Amino acid sequence: DSGVTQTPKHLITATGQRVTLRCSPRSGDLSVYWYQQSLDQGLQFLIQYYNGEERAKGNILERFSAQQFPDLHSELNLSSLELGDSALYFCASSVAGLAGTDTQYFGPGTRLTVL
Amino acid sequence: AQTVTQSQPEMSVQEAETVTLSCTYDTSENNYYLFWYKQPPSRQMILVIRQEAYKQQNATENRFSVNFQKAAKSFSLKISDSQLGDTAMYFCAFMNWALVFGKGTRLSVIA
Repeated sequence: DSGVTQTPKHLITATGQRVTLRCSPRSGDLSVYWYQQSLDQGLQFLIQYYNGEERAKGNILERFSAQQFPDLHSELNLSSLELGDSALYFCASSVAGLAGTDTQYFGPGTRLTVL
Repeated sequence: AQTVTQSQPEMSVQEAETVTLSCTYDTSENNYYLFWYKQPPSRQMILVIRQEAYKQQNATENRFSVNFQKAAKSFSLKISDSQLGDTAMYFCAFMNWALVFGKGTRLSVIA
């Protein structure tokens, strides 16, 4: 158990819908990262937050957004869902993430299925 | 942009034997970190080992060790005394700000 929690574990929804994935980092970690794992794209970095502020952006679609709240939990919002958004979404956390040198610990993931 | 290449999509090893997984990467950075993560059938991403580029000494964690060749941009993982529980996808990753992953090597440990 990494100490990172993600809810829900599974999510099944229809095209065009909007969903919210939730992540709670390890105790003491200030940085949260979101990754997408799909069969065709592999594991891709989406976005990073540090202490409530956006720190870095990766291959995140405009239909996707995220935020980190004062209690440091984070939410990833996916809207206008398409079939290709079906994937495993991971959250990871690290202590600081300031210089990108911290070890990241991953949550169990949320499996999203878009029908 | 950094890239990570794992040239072995699948490998198998007999229980108790040793296996080496290959990884090469491309970067213009001088200071960075390299990782191996394991993803068993449960799909959880588990940290196996970490290497700081400024350290010449290869990292070891129990049965897991790396061969880090900075000039060659190579970062291989050696698993000694392989166990059935080592069966998993293994991902090599480079980190500057965020992790850049290779496509993975599926390792099967055979009894």
